[in-house]
Amino acid sequence: KAGVTQTPRYLIKTRGQQVTLSCSPISGHRSVSWYQQTPGQGLQFLFEYFSETQRNKGNFPGRFSGRQFSNSRSEMNVSTLELGDSALYLCASSFGGRGLEQYFGPGTRLTVT
Amino acid sequence: GQQVMQIPQYQHVQEGEDFTTYCNSSTTLSNIQWYKQRPGGHPVFLIQLVKSGEVKKQKRLTFQFGEAKKNSSLHITATQTTDVGTYFCAGRTQGGSEKLVFGKGMKLTVNP
Repeated sequence: KAGVTQTPRYLIKTRGQQVTLSCSPISGHRSVSWYQQTPGQGLQFLFEYFSETQRNKGNFPGRFSGRQFSNSRSEMNVSTLELGDSALYLCASSFGGRGLEQYFGPGTRLTVT
Repeated sequence: GQQVMQIPQYQHVQEGEDFTTYCNSSTTLSNIQWYKQRPGGHPVFLIQLVKSGEVKKQKRLTFQFGEAKKNSSLHITATQTTDVGTYFCAGRTQGGSEKLVFGKGMKLTVNP
């Protein structure tokens, strides 16, 4: 079974721009979660989608948004990029039930200059 | 909000040594998960603990969930260089939104 894939793997943007990241979960997985990973803050939860509905949301500003499509693929968007948004963005999928293990993708390394 | 603290944040051991790392939650958890992230890699699921006082072993790794379901520990016996990486615990909150909250991780380095 193919793992979680994320595109692009690397991205360089300038302040004020917006960016869209994509995540394809493991086949059959209906839940997709997004995390921001930085050296100082560890893994911070952004949001979780299940069956195209946002099920949970972390404490990030409204510039961070996401969505999930009917095939469970998910995208996250960050508008008006700031330098502090530079991070590794990880997507994780799970079968769906709460409490199940998550399978992480390789991440998208975003650098904002 | 709910917090999950891991101690220590950094651990350097000599190959062959044993050590324990801890994970503490400010609230009672429904379950706790442990992940390992190798340098340059992504987190990989290791194990999940659900029951109060539960103990699970994976080869040289022993995981324990506290009686009050607010803390957990990971004990590694006879550390090897392949154990290098960052270990994260992640606690699932009870009721309500049931978020999975990650600790900041414990970075392990091993001196061969």
